[in-house]
Amino acid sequence: GQNIDQPTEMTATEGAIVQINCTYQTSGFNGLFWYQQHAGEAPTFLSYNVLDGLEEKGRFSSFLSRSKGYSYLLLKELQMKDSASYLCAVGRSGAGSYQLTFGKGTKLSVIP
Amino acid sequence: EPEVTQTPSHQVTQMGQEVILRCVPISNHLYFYWYRQILGQKVEFLVSFYNNEISEKSEIFDDQFSVERPDGSNFTLKIRSTKLEDSAMYFCASSAGDGTEAFFGQGTRLTVV
Repeated sequence: GQNIDQPTEMTATEGAIVQINCTYQTSGFNGLFWYQQHAGEAPTFLSYNVLDGLEEKGRFSSFLSRSKGYSYLLLKELQMKDSASYLCAVGRSGAGSYQLTFGKGTKLSVIP
Repeated sequence: EPEVTQTPSHQVTQMGQEVILRCVPISNHLYFYWYRQILGQKVEFLVSFYNNEISEKSEIFDDQFSVERPDGSNFTLKIRSTKLEDSAMYFCASSAGDGTEAFFGQGTRLTVV
């Protein structure tokens, strides 16, 4: 089966750095995705890791350790607009199909 | 920038009625998906579609659900006889290949009364 765990809520200060962790157990692993979702809106793609290590993309970085079933999303120089839910999603493929399994999301509140 | 578009943005329907949710995926994408998100809950996979057929479906996607790609651009989700618990935001998504990021449409908020 699939199991994805991430903290429910986090609070951080504008200008600071925050790390959102995600652990997963899955079969047929084919990539770890992070999405941002503002309330009432669609998820928007942030990052993708398929190999171990750190991927950097502007203010956002994502790390993956496949052996530990662990990923984190690092947000630097936090801005008020970064207040949103951050969804960890595991890509799973098999028998010609592909799907994303999402965690419950971490609601990040950025305060002045 | 190419985007996935969904119509309608909001649909209210009576229990037992049929609804069709419409999606236009990004034109050169090959994989299409439907997800749903019940208010306050996580995004849940419903179905994936590739090469004009369903490639995988979840337990949620029972006989009341069906998908079609009636022409070269549209991708639809039909719920044959809606139930109260079908009330949710339904997201269509598409990707260029497996293992690549999925782009989500803005969603259709379905309310069953």
